[in-house]
Amino acid sequence: NAGVMQNPRHLVRRRGQEARLRCSPMKGHSHVYWYRQLPEEGLKFMVYLQKENIIDESGMPKERFSAEFPKEGPSILRIQQVVRGDSAAYFCASSPIEAEGAFFGQGTRLTVV
Amino acid sequence: GQSLEQPSEVTAVEGAIVQINCTYQTSGFYGLSWYQQHDGGAPTFLSYNGLDGLEETGRFSSFLSRSDSYGYLLLQELQMKDSASYFCAVRDPANQKVTFGTGTKLQVIP
Repeated sequence: NAGVMQNPRHLVRRRGQEARLRCSPMKGHSHVYWYRQLPEEGLKFMVYLQKENIIDESGMPKERFSAEFPKEGPSILRIQQVVRGDSAAYFCASSPIEAEGAFFGQGTRLTVV
Repeated sequence: GQSLEQPSEVTAVEGAIVQINCTYQTSGFYGLSWYQQHDGGAPTFLSYNGLDGLEETGRFSSFLSRSDSYGYLLLQELQMKDSASYFCAVRDPANQKVTFGTGTKLQVIP
């Protein structure tokens, strides 16, 4: 059973481009969470999804950011028209329903130049 | 909503014992989890307390007091490799959202 897979591990984008971050949860996990982390800071909640549903997106900026978890395929975090301030590590985590803990991917480190 | 507070930094000597505290305010509560994150790495799940009391897993123990909205992670026989950030987390039973604490950076010194 493979762990949570995120790709790419590193992503460089120029200001104004789009960034697409992918996350494949562990097999059997129906809950996906996205977190953002700046250097030396904590994990900031962005969005929580189940298959085909956004359950809580209270941590997502209202503009330029979107997330989906389709019936088939990975969860996607999409950032349009990236700015330097979007540079961060983006972690995806998955868990089965009502689990004790969540399992994290290795993260995608986005650098906007 | 959920909010969890932790000390930002703790320094301890190799071989010693250190306690990392977490106080929380939540609208709903399943239990308290702890995660470890090394610099540049991903958070990894360490332990979970669903009931009051102490849970022990090797050198690491975790404690929960629901009446005090308080928990802690206890690390014994500290090793240099324990230098990392430690996060407490809670899950909201209403919607399964997992919220993390502010994180504690532990530095183990010789």
